Amino acid sequence: DIVMTQSPLSSPVTLGQPASISCRSSQSLVHSDGNTYLSWLQQRPGQPPRLLIYKISNRFSGVPDRFSGSGAGTDFTLKISRVEAEDVGVYYCMQATQFPWTFGQGTKVEIK
Amino acid sequence: QVQLVESGGGVVQPGGSLRLSCAASGFTFSSNAMHWVRQAPGKGLEWVAFIRYDGSNQYYADSVKGRFTISRDNSKNTLYLQMHSLRAEDTAVYYCAIIPRTSENGSGGDYWGQGTLVTVSS
Repeated sequence: DIVMTQSPLSSPVTLGQPASISCRSSQSLVHSDGNTYLSWLQQRPGQPPRLLIYKISNRFSGVPDRFSGSGAGTDFTLKISRVEAEDVGVYYCMQATQFPWTFGQGTKVEIK
Repeated sequence: QVQLVESGGGVVQPGGSLRLSCAASGFTFSSNAMHWVRQAPGKGLEWVAFIRYDGSNQYYADSVKGRFTISRDNSKNTLYLQMHSLRAEDTAVYYCAIIPRTSENGSGGDYWGQGTLVTVSS
């Protein structure tokens, strides 16, 4: 199984400042079809998760453009350009390249 | 609008069985692959199982393989998770979900139920 490792596990951020979360996979996430199925999800307190980004860097409609994803192969990053209060929660990377799908441990973003 | 409503959770003794259901509405259930994802209290997300839109293929996490079975009844717009040989470590909120791994120009998106709590305890 592919192991997803996130860092940091906690990220206290000042409102309006950027935040960055790293995600590393134990093997390449490049699928045989040429796509890299790395997604990012947000889970606000008390709510189910929500997909933000798919295939490394593509935002789903309705996701603010302050969220951006980058990376390739085994190393990926989620950046929030200017953290807002509504961004508080836990962020997960998830690989959907091969079954079983796997999540990272989660990174808690909180306001300083 | 899309609705996913899980049911069937509760308290069960170690070694026991439970069947979860997920009633779907507001979309064409028979055209969508479905997932179960769980979250132990205070812990992260764990992907559990997947079933194709027509039920032709199923995949499982290693932690549940051989004990859990995902199935669906497209005539009833319902997804199931049959759980056997339950262990304390299966205690979690279980979510049914549509989790696309790609999209056309960012359209669509994921849908999750509110989850149902399974507690395995004597």
